[in-house]
Amino acid sequence: EAGVTQFPSHSVIEKGQTVTLRCDPISGHDNLYWYRRVMGKEIKFLLHFVKESKQDESGMPNNRFLAERTGGTYSTLKVQPAELEDSGVYFCASSPLLINNEQFFGPGTRLTVL
Amino acid sequence: GEDVEQSLFLSVREGDSSVINCTYTDSSSTYLYWYKQEPGAGLQLLTYIFSNMDMKQDQRLTVLLNKKDKHLSLRIADTQTGDSAIYFCAETGSAGNNRKLIWGLGTSLAVNP
Repeated sequence: EAGVTQFPSHSVIEKGQTVTLRCDPISGHDNLYWYRRVMGKEIKFLLHFVKESKQDESGMPNNRFLAERTGGTYSTLKVQPAELEDSGVYFCASSPLLINNEQFFGPGTRLTVL
Repeated sequence: GEDVEQSLFLSVREGDSSVINCTYTDSSSTYLYWYKQEPGAGLQLLTYIFSNMDMKQDQRLTVLLNKKDKHLSLRIADTQTGDSAIYFCAETGSAGNNRKLIWGLGTSLAVNP
């Protein structure tokens, strides 16, 4: 069974540009989470989807970040316009709806904003 | 607010036991987790413990939970060079469906031959 995949693995963009990160959860997992780790700081929760609905987006830093999960399958996280402080590693995780003690993580996308 | 703290570095000799400690502040924590991140890899769940348990053992791993002191530890017996990685402590205060995790900074474990 394929695990959680994320694309791209690395992205280097200039300040002011737009970047879209993609996460493909494990097939059948209704829960999808986004987290971010900024260098030197702890991993922080960004938001949680249940199927296509945003259950909790309390961790989203500001309105430059837009997450979508159309159809309840893969999710995208768009940063527009990117700022220097958005640099970090963005992790996606998924879990089944009813048995959700474990979140399965993707390898992360390393975003560098210059 | 919620906070999870860990020491940043630990160095042990191969064959010794490693003990990684973590403290948390959220008294409503329901599940506490240990994740491992090897260089260049994603986050891998090692083990987790429910808050009504004191101890959980899984092969070389032993998790101890002191709920009164809000202290969690991970003991790795017979530490091997392949155990070198960053170990993250995380907790969730939710018993519902939204298991958003609150993380520590991670402890970098170096195993010397």
